[in-house]
Amino acid sequence: GAVVSQHPSRVICKSGTSVKIECRSLDFQATTMFWYRQFPKQSLMLMATSNEGSKATYEQGVEKDKFLINHASLTLSTLTVTSAHPEDSSFYICSARGTGGYFYEQYFGPGTRLTVT
Amino acid sequence: GENVEQHPSTLSVQEGDSAVIKCTYSDSASNYFPWYKQELGKRPQLIIDIRSNVGEKKDQRIAVTLNKTAKHFSLHITETQPEDSAVYFCAASGSSNTGKLIFGQGTTLQVKP
Repeated sequence: GAVVSQHPSRVICKSGTSVKIECRSLDFQATTMFWYRQFPKQSLMLMATSNEGSKATYEQGVEKDKFLINHASLTLSTLTVTSAHPEDSSFYICSARGTGGYFYEQYFGPGTRLTVT
Repeated sequence: GENVEQHPSTLSVQEGDSAVIKCTYSDSASNYFPWYKQELGKRPQLIIDIRSNVGEKKDQRIAVTLNKTAKHFSLHITETQPEDSAVYFCAASGSSNTGKLIFGQGTTLQVKP
């Protein structure tokens, strides 16, 4: 149990375009989802926390107009990188937390490698 | 602000030796402390976690200790094997009760055969 998927696994886009990344909880209801960014040889940096049906809470320094997060259902959250630039190239990982037995632990997706050319 | 410091950044041991990674956290309200193993290009995998009402937890070759007073916790791996080589991250829950995690900087563990 507790499987989280992400799509796509890799994406290459041109500078100035937008990219959408999907994060799905496959076998539990994700009341909270988290989006992280990880640059090479660095740690995971939390970008934002989203609760189903609510606006996302962004960490300090993360541009909410550039990184649009939607958590429209208990199984799906999306991250849209708008007007992407080469410096946005990174590994984006989502995680999900549920209720009951799925409350404490965060279940991570496999990540999306974004390359902006 | 919330912060987690992790040391060392790199650790090299001989197969069969023990490895210890230490973390300190800043927020006394943190109550959940997971450890993750991450291989290159993969998702972090939870290897062990501990909650603030427990001082120590062990799972086969892996153990975690927590000192709430000093606000630090440690990962102990005994009888290391080459397949233990990876990047290890500690994390601490944030104080806002949203469930968010603050990650340490990571430790690259190399186990030499």
